[in-house]
Amino acid sequence: GQNIDQPTEMTATEGAIVQINCTYQTSGFNGLFWYQQHAGEAPTFLSYNVLDGLEEKGRFSSFLSRSKGYSYLLLKELQMKDSASYLCAAQRNDRGSTLGRLYFGRGTQLTVWP
Amino acid sequence: DGGITQSPKYLFRKEGQNVTLSCEQNLNHDAMYWYRQDPGQGLRLIYYSQIVNDFQKGDIAEGYSVSREKKESFPLTVTSAQKNPTAFYLCASSFGQGNEKLFFGSGTQLSVL
Repeated sequence: GQNIDQPTEMTATEGAIVQINCTYQTSGFNGLFWYQQHAGEAPTFLSYNVLDGLEEKGRFSSFLSRSKGYSYLLLKELQMKDSASYLCAAQRNDRGSTLGRLYFGRGTQLTVWP
Repeated sequence: DGGITQSPKYLFRKEGQNVTLSCEQNLNHDAMYWYRQDPGQGLRLIYYSQIVNDFQKGDIAEGYSVSREKKESFPLTVTSAQKNPTAFYLCASSFGQGNEKLFFGSGTQLSVL
């Protein structure tokens, strides 16, 4: 199977910085996604990393180390609206298929306090 | 506007009843997926379809069935064989060409009466 691990819960205060870690053990790995999901709503795409390094996009950045099976999502200048679940997903291609399947972690519930 | 639409938002199932969840997309995506989400668990793949008239079982297909007669549509039937159907069901689509950025519908909450 695929093992995707991330913390269950995190808390932070408005204006702070928070780092959400994700480790994975996925054969045939070919990319790492982060999604944001507010309660009862659809997950929305935040970032995609396929090469090692940091990808910055506004207040959100994502890092990948393929050799360590590790990624993190960095959220800066936290706002109340950032309170949500953050889902880490590793992509792999099943043998003989061109379709990349995503395997999701359980999500990290982030609560931002005023 | 392009997007992916799920209906209904809430659905109730009686014992022994089959129910069908609708999913439609106008993004011209080839691939479509059904996920189940339970509290405290990650999204688990039920079925996926890479192309019209073809679909594959995911990790938890037992008690579910799908069809893919049109590119735009991928309905999911929760059969009476699924003994624990209460969950949040998410439909998604992607281009299906390797980099599978998923676009999700707004979800259907299914509950058992």
